[in-house]
Amino acid sequence: SQQGEEDPQALSIQEGENATMNCSYKTSINNLQWYRQNSGRGLVHLILIRSNEREKHSGRLRVTLDTSKKSSSLLITASRAADTASYFCAWRGGSEKLVFGKGTKLTVNP
Amino acid sequence: NAGVTQTPKFQVLKTGQSMTLQCAQDMNHEYMSWYRQDPGMGLRLIHYSVGAGITDQGEVPNGYNVSRSTTEDFPLRLLSAAPSQTSVYFCASSYSPGLGNQPQHFGDGTRLSIL
Repeated sequence: SQQGEEDPQALSIQEGENATMNCSYKTSINNLQWYRQNSGRGLVHLILIRSNEREKHSGRLRVTLDTSKKSSSLLITASRAADTASYFCAWRGGSEKLVFGKGTKLTVNP
Repeated sequence: NAGVTQTPKFQVLKTGQSMTLQCAQDMNHEYMSWYRQDPGMGLRLIHYSVGAGITDQGEVPNGYNVSRSTTEDFPLRLLSAAPSQTSVYFCASSYSPGLGNQPQHFGDGTRLSIL
């Protein structure tokens, strides 16, 4: 399987705290993407980081990429209850195939 | 602009029955794909298509067929449903060039139970 791992599998924090999720992948990549999935819904694209970038910001999201370690992290700052969701990383895992990690389930308690 | 539309949202089948899960997109995307999502397994690719008339297998294709006669539609057929196919099925689409460079647009899924 080409699937990587996300760590932790589940994370519970209080509103206002920061949440950090990690992703390990197995192949060489050109880009890595992060998605959010609210309960009962499809995945929504959050951010894409290219292999020549080490860090990227979008609002309260900060993504880092370490290609030497084949790992990426997603940081959500000042979490809100509305951030409660599952978060997935994804990368191109071969010819025309996008591979997703197994996800981190984030719960933000009011 | 509806994005990616999946029907039905819920379905219960008996073992051995067949059915087709529908997926349509109105964004003129070349690339379309089907995933299944199971607890603890993340999303696994079933089949994908890089354009009308072209399909290929993903990670878990057994028991499923697809076709792509138009750019807009990418139906997934279960030939003879088995309990192991109980899952949530997602359809996604994107512009094809440089697959990993393009955000995938997902439908809201079809929740399928096989009894």
